[in-house]
Formats: sequence, structure tokens, C-alpha cells
Amino acid sequence: KQEVTQIPAALSVPEGENLVLNCSFTDSAIYNLQWFRQDPGKGLTSLLLIQSSQREQTSGRLNASLDKSSGRSTLYIAASQPGDSATYLCAVNYGNNRLAFGKGNQVVVIP
Amino acid sequence: NAGVMQNPRHLVRRRGQEARLRCSPMKGHSHVYWYRQLPEEGLKFMVYLQKENIIDESGMPKERFSAEFPKEGPSILRIQQVVRGDSAAYFCASSQGQGSQETQYFGPGTRLLVL
Repeated sequence: KQEVTQIPAALSVPEGENLVLNCSFTDSAIYNLQWFRQDPGKGLTSLLLIQSSQREQTSGRLNASLDKSSGRSTLYIAASQPGDSATYLCAVNYGNNRLAFGKGNQVVVIP
Repeated sequence: NAGVMQNPRHLVRRRGQEARLRCSPMKGHSHVYWYRQLPEEGLKFMVYLQKENIIDESGMPKERFSAEFPKEGPSILRIQQVVRGDSAAYFCASSQGQGSQETQYFGPGTRLLVL
């Protein structure tokens, strides 16, 4: 069964601290993995997409790593800001045209 | 270039009524995906469609739910005789192609509340 787990489910950090969000998946035969941001009552915004052949992707303060052998991806957000408060979703593409999502990491950055 | 459009954004129905959710993909995209997000749950795949074809409906409930993507117009997700357990956010995504490398772009969702 292709399950995606995100830990922790929720966390709060003071502004300026680095955020580390974890995603694990049970089936390592993935095509790519994507991190999304979801604000309350809103849709999904794609942050980073890592292909199976890649180890990491970076965009500004965001860095996502991928370790297929251990079934893990980590999203790092440097120098967090209150505007980073949101739910972060990890989604795995197993090549069957449907994404398998985790339940999300709900983040609150305290000013 | 407008993104994926969904309407209505919010929909309230009484038990037993029908709900029709619409999704217009990004310009140039011919592949549409529907996902459902139940309260406190992650998004779950429902159905994948191309123009006039259902490619994968393995995530669709067996009864009351149907989807279409006609040659002209938006994709429609239809829920007949709604029950309280259908209350959820329904997200549509689109992609340009069907390859495993294709990125899916998501709409803002339709939040369905069944009273």
C-alpha cells in the first residue's frame, strides 16, 4: 500500500528559526515528489518538485531533499517568517497519474 | 494565463439533493484530476479524465458519484443524493500531458457542506 506520512502534524516556531518538515513514504518506486503549501480555506500552491533522479531542489529560502532508499523527503524553510504559517503537504507521484498525499504539517510561525 | 478555475467556491446542499462541481483546466491542458479532502484528512484521488474519456476512476465511490470532461466546456463532478459524509473540499487539478513528469496544477477547490 502506498502510504505517505508527515511528521509532525503540527508545530509552532518563533520567527527566525529554521523549519524542518518530514515526509515518509512506504513504496520507494516513485517518479517524483512534490511539496505544496495550503492556506486555510484556499487551494494548493506548488512549492518544489523533486524528480526521482534528484537528491534536492532549492527555491529561495526553501530546500527539499529526497532519499528514495529510505523513503523520506525533508522540506527545510530557512529563517521562518509569520507569512510562512500554513499547512505544508507532501505528495508522491508513483507514475499512475494520481498523487498520494500526506495529511500535512500545520505550521505556525510566532512573531 | 488563468490558472485552474473551480466553481462554485462554496456549495451548500440538503441531504438528498444533487451537487454539481465544475472545473476549467488551465489553458492548453487536456488532463483533469479530481481529489477530495475530508476534514482532518489528506487529499485523496478520485478520478482522472481526458477530454471525453475517463482514464482512471479507481478512487470514486461506487454509487452516487460521476464525472465527465466533455469536448467543450468544463469538467463536472456530480454527486447525487448527497449525504452529510460528502461534506468536504473537492479539488480539481490539470496537467498538459499524462507523463509521470507532468506537474499537476490545482484549483482553489469547492467546499461542499451538506446539511
